[in-house]
Amino acid sequence: GAVVSQHPSWVICKSGTSVKIECRSLDFQATTMFWYRQFPKQSLMLMATSNEGSKATYEQGVEKDKFLINHASLTLSTLTVTSAHPEDSSFYICSAPVGPSSYNSPLHFGNGTRLTVT
Amino acid sequence: LAKTTQPISMDSYEGQEVNITCSHNNIATNDYITWYQQFPSQGPRFIIQGYKTKVTNEVASLFIPADRKSSTLSLPRVSLSDTAVYYCLVGDTPRAAGNKLTFGGGTRVLVKP
Repeated sequence: GAVVSQHPSWVICKSGTSVKIECRSLDFQATTMFWYRQFPKQSLMLMATSNEGSKATYEQGVEKDKFLINHASLTLSTLTVTSAHPEDSSFYICSAPVGPSSYNSPLHFGNGTRLTVT
Repeated sequence: LAKTTQPISMDSYEGQEVNITCSHNNIATNDYITWYQQFPSQGPRFIIQGYKTKVTNEVASLFIPADRKSSTLSLPRVSLSDTAVYYCLVGDTPRAAGNKLTFGGGTRVLVKP
């Protein structure tokens, strides 16, 4: 079945540094990917929609200069958390729809990246 | 975008059937209903999807009444490993411009021995 691979699964970084998270579609092409953030005991919050070959669409309240998204190929989207601060510590999850574009496409999710900023 | 409402939590016992109802009063004509399961520190996993009536697969059933303003996920004979958070999502294909699937609060299901 369709697999979305996310890397790394966890990362610890110092405040002020940048962290890149990769999301790959392993056996299908993903023109669109979604990035979510999840705080403990809370639901997933959509951060942005990543579009292959064009700019990402960010949700209201999400700083595009802080959370840089690049979707340069049909199988890879990256999220870079720039100048990370402790409040950016969270669980970041990517997803991609799988299925014909003419139908509603269920999302397949990566296993998430636990980011801890010290 | 259709807003969804689910119970915050449910407790059950091994071997029982668990039914989780999701309300989506303003569901649109093109919207599908999709359920996901999430374990701690993992990404959500697709369970089942439907548009109307009843859908069944190897892990669950989804019941959707004629007015489609609600849906019920049914997990038959749950085991301890079914303890998770279950999310109901309502929306059109995420490929369409402007569409975005947002998660509601989810239902935390605890299966007890």
